[in-house]
Amino acid sequence: KNEVEQSPQNLTAQEGEFITINCSYSVGISALHWLQQHPGGGIVSLFMLSSGKKKHGRLIATINIQEKHSSLHITASHPRDSAVYICAALTGNQFYFGTGTSLTVIP
Amino acid sequence: EPEVTQTPSHQVTQMGQEVILRCVPISNHLYFYWYRQILGQKVEFLVSFYNNEISEKSEIFDDQFSVERPDGSNFTLKIRSTKLEDSAMYFCASSWQGWNQPQHFGDGTRLSIL
Repeated sequence: KNEVEQSPQNLTAQEGEFITINCSYSVGISALHWLQQHPGGGIVSLFMLSSGKKKHGRLIATINIQEKHSSLHITASHPRDSAVYICAALTGNQFYFGTGTSLTVIP
Repeated sequence: EPEVTQTPSHQVTQMGQEVILRCVPISNHLYFYWYRQILGQKVEFLVSFYNNEISEKSEIFDDQFSVERPDGSNFTLKIRSTKLEDSAMYFCASSWQGWNQPQHFGDGTRLSIL
């Protein structure tokens, strides 16, 4: 049973395209975390949000608590955005991780 | 910018041996975490640690595992008798104020059990 589902699993985009990665969760959450995992394996926290929308540079994250859904958008995508993007739902005192979306941005 | 550091970056160990993975969290952070990621699989929570004791642990974190903060800077994960299935990337993270704050991750230790 997967508490957190992400789509798509793999995504290839041309440089400059607008990208959306989706995350749905089945558990009640207090917050949702978006992470970026680089090809070398390192993990970087992008956003933590519990409602509404957050923006940082070309990245935008939104969450709809009622629909149990979050999206990560990347505007004007660039090859350096190529990475695995992971959402993690915080419920109680534990994170449930999605399987990640592997993004490749082609120049 | 302060960062979480993990050593070693790669550890190769014979099955049945004990292994200690080390982490230096960000200095003013109070909450510490270990995660693992088996190759090709999703990240899994292992344990969280606050005020010198475990605050949460997952089903994965059985008696083979232990965590310790032996001094004011290091945070360690020990696996007592390693098994082949312990081969994974282990990530340490820290946060200032618990689960509702962003976590800062280290680059991970790749553990290979032979």
